Amino acid sequence: KAGVTQTPRYLIKTRGQQVTLSCSPISGHRSVSWYQQTPGQGLQFLFEYFSETQRNKGNFPGRFSGRQFSNSRSEMNVSTLELGDSALYLCASSLGRTANYGYTFGSGTRLTVV
Amino acid sequence: GENVEQHPSTLSVQEGDSAVIKCTYSDSASNYFPWYKQELGKRPQLIIDIRSNVGEKKDQRIAVTLNKTAKHFSLHITETQPEDSAVYFCAASAGGNQFYFGTGTSLTVIP
Repeated sequence: KAGVTQTPRYLIKTRGQQVTLSCSPISGHRSVSWYQQTPGQGLQFLFEYFSETQRNKGNFPGRFSGRQFSNSRSEMNVSTLELGDSALYLCASSLGRTANYGYTFGSGTRLTVV
Repeated sequence: GENVEQHPSTLSVQEGDSAVIKCTYSDSASNYFPWYKQELGKRPQLIIDIRSNVGEKKDQRIAVTLNKTAKHFSLHITETQPEDSAVYFCAASAGGNQFYFGTGTSLTVIP
């Protein structure tokens, strides 16, 4: 079956712009989580969506937002981009509400803010 | 919230030797501890996980141990091979899909 698909793979944006990233989970998976990966910081949790509802949110400013559609696809939006937002953004999908079902990552979207 | 610390940040071993990566966590409610391997330019992939009701788990050359009392867990790779070279991340979860990750260990296996 298809894995977790993230689009686009690469993005270059200018400071102050906004950006939308997309994540399509594995078929049947209802949970989508988003992480920011930067060198030295590891993976930091942004938020999780399950059945179109945000269940958890990490410690990121309100410029970072997301949503999930009825087909479980999720989008993440970052407004008023800053240079420090340059990172690899990973999404991960899971079958259910708990970690018991495993966690599969997509290949990520590499965002560069100039 | 949970805080996961991981050591060492870099590790070099000779091919065939063992490698050990250690993590500590702070939240006693954490009960699921996965390990991910990330090769350069690729996505993190789950290699092994352990739950709080188990002390040790093995899968071929990889093993993970958990000490709930001390709040630490470790990844052991035996008979290392060059293809084991990657960044390894530990993580902790209190049962939901929000994971707290360590900052990663860059493992280099020298042929």
